[in-house]
Amino acid sequence: DVKVTQSSRYLVKRTGEKVFLECVQDMDHENMFWYRQDPGLGLRLIYFSYDVKMKEKGDIPEGYSVSREKKERFSLILESASTNQTSMYLCASSSQGLNTGELFFGEGSRLTVL
Amino acid sequence: AQSVTQLGSHVSVSEGALVLLRCNYSSSVPPYLFWYVQYPNQGLQLLLKYTSAATLVKGINGFEAEFKKSETSFHLTKPSAHMSDAAEYFCAVSDRGSARQLTFGSGTQLTVLP
Repeated sequence: DVKVTQSSRYLVKRTGEKVFLECVQDMDHENMFWYRQDPGLGLRLIYFSYDVKMKEKGDIPEGYSVSREKKERFSLILESASTNQTSMYLCASSSQGLNTGELFFGEGSRLTVL
Repeated sequence: AQSVTQLGSHVSVSEGALVLLRCNYSSSVPPYLFWYVQYPNQGLQLLLKYTSAATLVKGINGFEAEFKKSETSFHLTKPSAHMSDAAEYFCAVSDRGSARQLTFGSGTQLTVLP
């Protein structure tokens, strides 16, 4: 069964803390994505990566960074968490060759910043 | 630039009634269009997609959607709602020239009443 696994389903952090959200996919997909989901706003793209060590900014990259050292793993980093980063974070992956927009999502990581 | 508008953030239907979730898009090129579903506490999964083949697209769980270029619409329908259809539904568009990215609508929460 193909899977995208996000390491933490629920996290509570304090303002100013450094936060790591990890995502692993087992489908050998080239593309990986981090989205943020907020009520009434749908999904907004933070960063995506189309290859190891490659990354591109999405629509809302401010306050975030990413790392892709291995093909199967894509990490989202909040250098100094703030309360306005309280949200649901969704990781997704897709195949390069069949890239017609079909994304495979993880179950999400709900982050609360106090 | 591409965008998606989902009319109605909340839709309620009775069990057995028709489900109609509305989606209008704007795109500078012929788009790929998608419907994703998110069940409670889960990530998104693909329901169906339009990629310029047949304009009426059938998806999983009895859902279908019709691409209408003249109306720039891609509404999602199901003839008879089931309790298990209660979820949030997202319409998304992808320009063919940049298929690595999707633009999502703000979502429609479907409630099915007994």
